[in-house]
Order: sequence, then C-alpha cells, then structure tokens
Amino acid sequence: EAGVAQSPRYKIIEKRQSVAFWCNPISGHATLYWYQQILGQGPKLLIQFQNNGVVDDSQLPKDRFSAERLKGVDSTLKIQPAKLEDSAVYLCASSFRATGLSYTFGSGTRLTVV
Amino acid sequence: GESVGLHLPTLSVQEGDNSIINCAYSNSASDYFIWYKQESGKGPQFIIDIRSNMDKRQGQRVTVLLNKTVKHLSLQIAATQPGDSAVYFCAEGGANNLFFGTGTRLTVIP
Repeated sequence: EAGVAQSPRYKIIEKRQSVAFWCNPISGHATLYWYQQILGQGPKLLIQFQNNGVVDDSQLPKDRFSAERLKGVDSTLKIQPAKLEDSAVYLCASSFRATGLSYTFGSGTRLTVV
Repeated sequence: GESVGLHLPTLSVQEGDNSIINCAYSNSASDYFIWYKQESGKGPQFIIDIRSNMDKRQGQRVTVLLNKTVKHLSLQIAATQPGDSAVYFCAEGGANNLFFGTGTRLTVIP
C-alpha cells in the first residue's frame, strides 16, 4: 500500500511570508493529523481531522496557522505569516481508526524560516 | 497536562549488544503506549505498542515493558544492529491522539 505522501520535502521562506504544505493520506484512512516537530523534540499535534471535520485543533496557533481537508482526503496546512520559530518539520499522519495505534506518518516537510 | 520524557538523550551500544531505552510518563490515565523509530529525514515509524492493562509485550527483536507503579516504559532491542541507529520516541495515547516525548538517539557502534 502506498504511504502518506507529503510535499514539498523542503521549503525555505523569509519571515512574514506565507507557506502551504500538502498531504495525501493512505487510501481509506478517515483520520488525518498534522504534527509539528521542532529539531530535537518529539512531534506535537497541531490538528486532527476525522473525514473532513476537525476533531482537535486546540494546539493550532489559529492566528497564523490554518488547515483544511475539504473532501475528506487530501489536506493542506498553511502558515501566514511565518515566524522564525515556525522552523520545524511538519509531519502528516493518517490512520484508519481515530486512535493512535494505527498511525502512519509521512516523511514530512522541513520548513526553514529565515 | 500530559508529560512524556526520556531519561537519556543519547545511547551508544556495540553492534550485537542489547539496547534498553527508557521513558517516563505522567498521565496514569493513558490507554496505550507506543514506541516509534525515526531515522534522519523520515517520519516516525511504528515499532511496538502496549496497552495499559499489559506489562510486557514482545515483537521481533524488541520487547516493551510497562511499569504502571512508577510510570515507566522501556524498549529493549536484542542484538542491536547498525540499522537500529535512529531516534526513538515513546508516546502515550488517550482517546484521540498521541503525546510524544523528546526522544533518545541510539547509535550503534560497528
């Protein structure tokens, strides 16, 4: 089975610019997650979708971050405007059920804000 | 809030030796715990999980031990190989998602 696809793999932007990341989950996986992983730390959940609805976005900095999953499949995560502290790897994961036991992660997008 | 931490940030072992990676957690209500392996430039990869009603679970070359009394989790890797070099994360899960610890970097010396 194909894995979780993410693009781009790398992105370098200047602070205050905008950036968007794309994720295509494993076919049939209803639950999709976006995680932020700062260098040297474990991933931190930003937002969780169940189909096209948001289950948990309590850790998403909503003043600058937004995410959508309009058709319940692909998802995009946007940052506008970016700050230096947003430099991190943004990981997308999907699962068949809404629990963590069946997560599959993508390879992530490494964002550098300069 | 939940807190998942690791005792050691780095661990170096000789090829063929056994590795033990430790993790402390704080949320006694977590339903399950998972160990992930993350290689450079890749996303975390599932290794093994254990439910809170178990104290030991074995996989291929890996064993996870859960001590709920002291809120401690460990990952044992038998006959460590160079391909085991990576960062290992423990994560604790509840109803909907996972909380990850900081990670331990395992380096296998040939």
